[in-house]
Amino acid sequence: EDKVVQSPLSLVVHEGDTVTLNCSYEVTNFRSLLWYKQEKKAPTFLFMLTSSGIEKKSGRLSSILDKKELSSILNITATQTGDSAIYLCAVGEGFGNEKLTFGTGTRLTIIP
Amino acid sequence: DTGVSQNPRHKITKRGQNVTFRCDPISEHNRLYWYRQTLGQGPEFLTYFQNEAQLEKSRLLSDRFSAERPKGSFSTLEIQRTEQGDSAMYLCASRAFSSNTGELFFGEGSRLTVL
Repeated sequence: EDKVVQSPLSLVVHEGDTVTLNCSYEVTNFRSLLWYKQEKKAPTFLFMLTSSGIEKKSGRLSSILDKKELSSILNITATQTGDSAIYLCAVGEGFGNEKLTFGTGTRLTIIP
Repeated sequence: DTGVSQNPRHKITKRGQNVTFRCDPISEHNRLYWYRQTLGQGPEFLTYFQNEAQLEKSRLLSDRFSAERPKGSFSTLEIQRTEQGDSAMYLCASRAFSSNTGELFFGEGSRLTVL
């Protein structure tokens, strides 16, 4: 059975800290790994990673995939209270990522 | 068109009743997906459409669940004879088949509570 595991499940840090969120996966037909941010509403897309070792960056967020270790990390530097959310990792299968298998998420809380 | 629209946003029903949710995807998106999310869990894939064709259904989708996309635009998800275990957030997402980012655009969900 396909599995995506995220750690830690929950993280509380002070504003300005740097955090690293982890995602590991076991899927039969890996195509890509995606990160989403979910506040109280719909998940919003952050990154899609398909190649090992190539960092994707957007502002204070960055992510990298390690296909040998079947894992990915999401880094957030200089955290702000607006970064408080659940961060979801998902693995896409099939030609167009038709089916995403999600992890349970990491709940990140930033204390002012 | 500002995004994926779902309604109703909240539905409370008694066990045994039927409920129907509607999803209006982003207009140029030909792929439409339904996911279910329970508290403390990530979304679980239920089914997806390319235009009006339903191409895959999860084994999670019991016979009481049916989804349609009759004209390749909006979609409905019907749950018959609801059970308490059906209580969840039902998320719809869409994307263009030609998209190379893999990004799914999610709606804000329809929250179902079965009493």
